[in-house]
Amino acid sequence: GAVVSQHPSWVICKSGTSVKIECRSLDFQATTMFWYRQFPKQSLMLMATSNEGSKATYEQGVEKDKFLINHASLTLSTLTVTSAHPEDSSFYICSAKENNEKLFFGSGTQLSVL
Amino acid sequence: QQQVKQSPQSLIVQKGGISIINCAYENTAFDYFPWYQQFPGKGPALLIAIRPDVSEKKEGRFTISFNKSAKQFSLHIMDSQPGDSATYFCAASGGSNYKLTFGKGTLLTVNP
Repeated sequence: GAVVSQHPSWVICKSGTSVKIECRSLDFQATTMFWYRQFPKQSLMLMATSNEGSKATYEQGVEKDKFLINHASLTLSTLTVTSAHPEDSSFYICSAKENNEKLFFGSGTQLSVL
Repeated sequence: QQQVKQSPQSLIVQKGGISIINCAYENTAFDYFPWYQQFPGKGPALLIAIRPDVSEKKEGRFTISFNKSAKQFSLHIMDSQPGDSATYFCAASGGSNYKLTFGKGTLLTVNP
């Protein structure tokens, strides 16, 4: 299957700082990428849909000014958690849509905010 | 409103047995039904997916059964192995946006 690379795999930061997570489609172009959040032993919650060259579409209840998404190219989308607080600690996962409609996921980023 | 209901929440199977996980959906606009496998600390990996035009799809030890009239679909893992121990998620999407709605997941444990 297609490969989606997500970096970093884990990050620890101080409260009030910003953290950037990268999601790259390595062997295909992805006009659409998705960002999810997952709490321990729970399902994936869609945060936003990232479209190349246009603004991201956020799900209800997700603060767009806190979770900044940039999809600058067909192979890269970034999620920046601004002014992170301990309640933002979570597992963040991206996915990218291949041309044949299949969605492939990155390996996830564990964010811990102290 | 939970649009995709998954059961059971957890499942314990002996090595060599059949693991069966069920999902039911409500939105008749859904037309793509994938199953994902997730190991701790990793992202979900696509296992197998089906569309409503077929009632069954098999790939290796994994089979999806789909019942359009009942709005249900299930994953069968034949000859289950300890390495299959993971969390399995069903999902569904419809239309052109490909936004997946996930079930709550099933923690599968395969005992040696």
